[in-house]
Amino acid sequence: GAVVSQHPSRVICKSGTSVKIECRSLDFQATTMFWYRQFPKQSLMLMATSNEGSKATYEQGVEKDKFLINHASLTLSTLTVTSAHPEDSSFYICSATLNRYNEQFFGPGTRLTVL
Amino acid sequence: GNSVTQMEGPVTLSEEAFLTINCTYTATGYPSLFWYVQYPGEGLQLLLKATKADDKGSNKGFEATYRKETTSFHLEKGSVQVSDSAVYFCALPKGHNAGGTSYGKLTFGQGTILTVHP
Repeated sequence: GAVVSQHPSRVICKSGTSVKIECRSLDFQATTMFWYRQFPKQSLMLMATSNEGSKATYEQGVEKDKFLINHASLTLSTLTVTSAHPEDSSFYICSATLNRYNEQFFGPGTRLTVL
Repeated sequence: GNSVTQMEGPVTLSEEAFLTINCTYTATGYPSLFWYVQYPGEGLQLLLKATKADDKGSNKGFEATYRKETTSFHLEKGSVQVSDSAVYFCALPKGHNAGGTSYGKLTFGQGTILTVHP
């Protein structure tokens, strides 16, 4: 089946630093990837839609300058949390769409802790 | 847009008990329906799906039938195991708006935490 990887799986950083999270589709080309944020015991909150070769589309309430998304190729999207603060600590999950049936394949997630 | 309402948890069962997690939806047309599972500390995995009305999705002993009459997609398993302990999400496409910017997006239920005891 389709496999999506994320790197790193865990990251701890100091307040004010920037953190980059990579999302890769390993065995298929994904023109569209999604970035989610998940708080403990809650559902996924869609942050943005990432399309290869174009600007990301952000959901209402998500700061574009805070969460920079780059979809450099058909197999790679990156999320950079700029000037991270403790309130940015969360579980970040990416996914990639495989076909027109909207089936998404999810990465294993990245646990970000900002001290 | 489309929406989904999922049975609230948490659900706690003994091993070999019968499981039902309810999911109802509101949608335009007949979109594909999905159940995703999230094991502790991991991302989501597709558990099963149904792409049209009356389809039954099944995987790992779990089943869900796409029922358009009741707009439901309830998840069932006849005999749960400790290893089934996880969070389960019902999902469907978000639907289309005038700008077509909803393509590929999913809307998720709030998730149901399942704990199975030996």
